Amino acid sequence: GQQLNQSPQSMFIQEGEDVSMNCTSSSIFNTWLWYKQDPGEGPVLLIALYKAGELTSNGRLTAQFGITRKDSFLNISASIPSDVGIYFCAGQETSYDKVIFGPGTSLSVIP
Amino acid sequence: EPEVTQTPSHQVTQMGQEVILRCVPISNHLYFYWYRQILGQKVEFLVSFYNNEISEKSEIFDDQFSVERPDGSNFTLKIRSTKLEDSAMYFCASSANSDTQYFGPGTRLTVL
Repeated sequence: GQQLNQSPQSMFIQEGEDVSMNCTSSSIFNTWLWYKQDPGEGPVLLIALYKAGELTSNGRLTAQFGITRKDSFLNISASIPSDVGIYFCAGQETSYDKVIFGPGTSLSVIP
Repeated sequence: EPEVTQTPSHQVTQMGQEVILRCVPISNHLYFYWYRQILGQKVEFLVSFYNNEISEKSEIFDDQFSVERPDGSNFTLKIRSTKLEDSAMYFCASSANSDTQYFGPGTRLTVL
């Protein structure tokens, strides 16, 4: 089945630093998604990407859909304490299809 | 802003007992999903549901699991005879006519 890998597994950064995390897939996706999960909560969608090469921003977050359709990255600029959480990349093969999640990147922000 | 709601937030049950997890999807949504997340692991797909029938199910979704949309608002996941390894967070999600699935806050199921 499809496998997603995320790197790094965890990050410890100082408040104000920029963050970059990556996701690669064993197969092609037509939609790439980035979710954030706070402890005890459900995943919350941050950014959705629908076209290869697409670069999309949402406030301090920027994500790109790789040209090969097998990778994506998420950047967070000027991190703040509330950025703490687990960031999951995810993909869908087609509309309405199941979401396949990566293993997550745990982000800790040191004030 | 409309949101997916789930009840209960935490369910504790004895092994072998039946549990029903409840979800109220966003009102105009047509596609419904259940996912689970074992502690410390990634979120895994269980089942998708559309037009009153299962669209797709994963290997995890065996004969012990069933889903139902008993009325116009609720979407339930039933586990017939719980096992210890069913302990996890269970998330309901729904989507309208787009790719975006909105997740509920989850039900933490603990099987003793």
